[in-house]
Amino acid sequence: DVKVTQSSRYLVKRTGEKVFLECVQDMDHENMFWYRQDPGLGLRLIYFSYDVKMKEKGDIPEGYSVSREKKERFSLILESASTNQTSMYLCASRGSTGVNTEAFFGQGTRLTVV
Amino acid sequence: GQSLEQPSEVTAVEGAIVQINCTYQTSGFYGLSWYQQHDGGAPTFLSYNGLDGLEETGRFSSFLSRSDSYGYLLLQELQMKDSASYFCAVISPSNYQLIWGAGTKLIIKP
Repeated sequence: DVKVTQSSRYLVKRTGEKVFLECVQDMDHENMFWYRQDPGLGLRLIYFSYDVKMKEKGDIPEGYSVSREKKERFSLILESASTNQTSMYLCASRGSTGVNTEAFFGQGTRLTVV
Repeated sequence: GQSLEQPSEVTAVEGAIVQINCTYQTSGFYGLSWYQQHDGGAPTFLSYNGLDGLEETGRFSSFLSRSDSYGYLLLQELQMKDSASYFCAVISPSNYQLIWGAGTKLIIKP
């Protein structure tokens, strides 16, 4: 059973804290993604990575950074958490063979910044 | 730019048929995908249309017309468990990444 696992289901952090969201996939996928999901706005891409140590900015990278030291792990970092970063964060992975490869998502981390 | 439009909400009755539309404006793409997301859950893949026409998978079908920049997801014999949000997505030809619509919340009434 393929799996994308996010380290936390719920997190509450204080404004200004450095926050780490971890994601691990066991499918040997090249591509990994971090999205945030807010009501009415769908899935917005923060960063993605197509290989180890490679990263690309998505649509809303401000206030975030990422790390991919190993193929199976992709971390999202909030350098200094702010209340407007309260959201659902979804990690996904996707293979590179063919254009119709589906994306697999983790269960999400609901982050609240107070 | 590239964008996809879908209705924000659709309501239907249990046992009925419902169609969720998706129109897109992209500078080329490789195909249209559909994902389902239940409240509190992760999006899961439903279907992919790489070519024009209808793809059927059980109670769900998906359609694509490239000439009309339009696709839809058709759900038949609706069940209460089909209550969820449905997202269309296209694959960008520039970087092979998914571009998402904002999602359609499907509400099913008994």
